[in-house]
Amino acid sequence: SAVISQKPSRDICQRGTSLTIQCQVDSQVTMMFWYRQQPGQSLTLIATANQGSEATYESGFVIDKFPISRPNLTFSTLTVSNMSPEDSSIYLCSVLRGANTEAFFGQGTRLTVV
Amino acid sequence: KQEVTQIPAALSVPEGENLVLNCSFTDSAIYNLQWFRQDPGKGLTSLLLIQSSQREQTSGRLNASLDKSSGRSTLYIAASQPGDSATYLCAVKGYGGATNKLIFGTGTLLAVQP
Repeated sequence: SAVISQKPSRDICQRGTSLTIQCQVDSQVTMMFWYRQQPGQSLTLIATANQGSEATYESGFVIDKFPISRPNLTFSTLTVSNMSPEDSSIYLCSVLRGANTEAFFGQGTRLTVV
Repeated sequence: KQEVTQIPAALSVPEGENLVLNCSFTDSAIYNLQWFRQDPGKGLTSLLLIQSSQREQTSGRLNASLDKSSGRSTLYIAASQPGDSATYLCAVKGYGGATNKLIFGTGTLLAVQP
């Protein structure tokens, strides 16, 4: 298994501001993944964070809105910029572990934008 | 494009009942399939991982099966308990170097009544 510490666990933010979410993994991983789960919806991948290179964003997500840092092999941050109420979601980081590439997730960050 | 569907969307059962959750996917070229549990507002907990070459996996009261050719997986929960109440998500992982993301189903919200 993997121990993934994500913070903050929840936050209420004013529109127009930015929030940075942190994800710390208990051992080194090549890729870290950031997902969004909108209310009542399933999870959608935002981007893949690689150490030493730019993050790879999925269709519909852009770096200006969701800048990602990956300073080392155990840590990543996702920033939600210039927030609007539509950004209210649960944001989750994830890693793949082992030869079977089992996915593990952090506890999630529940964001409410008012 | 891979699409994953889960039926039913919601299920309510009395305590002690055995139940089956269903997951369907449109593209049978999967690397693995994983079942998760999500408590309200929280992250995901991995329950079972089935490789594409496997037919089933078991953990305690849980048994997951995979029929890749028909694009189906089932999660069987024996002797359900109120603590099993949660949303259950299935996700498939495809092949390919850049295709490390998981495609998630829509989820089944399970309520086990005491």
